[in-house]
Amino acid sequence: EVQLVESGGGLIQPGGSLRLACEASGFTVSNNYMSWVRQAPGKGLEWVSVIYSGDSVSYVDSVKGRFTISRDSSKNTLYLQMNSLKVEDTAVYFCARSKETSTIFYYFDYWGQGTLVTVSS
Amino acid sequence: QSVLTQPPSVSAAPGQKVTISCSGSSSNIENNYVSWYQQLPGTAPKLIIYENDKRPSEIPDRFSGSKSGTSATLGITGLQTGDEADYYCGSWDSRLSPGRIFGTGTKVTVL
Repeated sequence: EVQLVESGGGLIQPGGSLRLACEASGFTVSNNYMSWVRQAPGKGLEWVSVIYSGDSVSYVDSVKGRFTISRDSSKNTLYLQMNSLKVEDTAVYFCARSKETSTIFYYFDYWGQGTLVTVSS
Repeated sequence: QSVLTQPPSVSAAPGQKVTISCSGSSSNIENNYVSWYQQLPGTAPKLIIYENDKRPSEIPDRFSGSKSGTSATLGITGLQTGDEADYYCGSWDSRLSPGRIFGTGTKVTVL
């Protein structure tokens, strides 16, 4: 059974740092496209970042230079290091597995339960 | 600001049918796959339609998807109270970098 379990969220002051983790079971993180998607309170879904073959990565413009996605194959875990946090980064952060290739995006098939990040002074 | 537009809300009585539209353009829906996600209150999104019109095995056939041109539609028949949720379409936009996009979301209310 495929499962994704996030952790690491919490209350942090603006300018602070936080690292989210997403532990996977039932499949191998390093063999899949893995993304972080966030949802601000009362708002819709926003894709944040992806990591895929050869540790290639991509980010939404609003987090470039501040967030870093990575994975640890030995722990089968995905991470999101978030630095220089802003109030507008407040959201529930979901990790998700996607089916896609280098040229075609298909869908997100499995999602974690999410972890809340609150950036506030 | 999503490039995929959905109605904010739709509603119907139990047992009735609702449809949710997802309007895009030639750079996204018309030339890429559409997926649909159900988000029950306080939970994570769940894939209910993929590749425009396919259902994961565990999703009942009351849920259907279709695509025509620059728009896609999610249909729910035999509406149940447990279907009350937010629904999002998703696709890829070839003009955006990066291109993974979601719709604005639709709240389904069972009257």
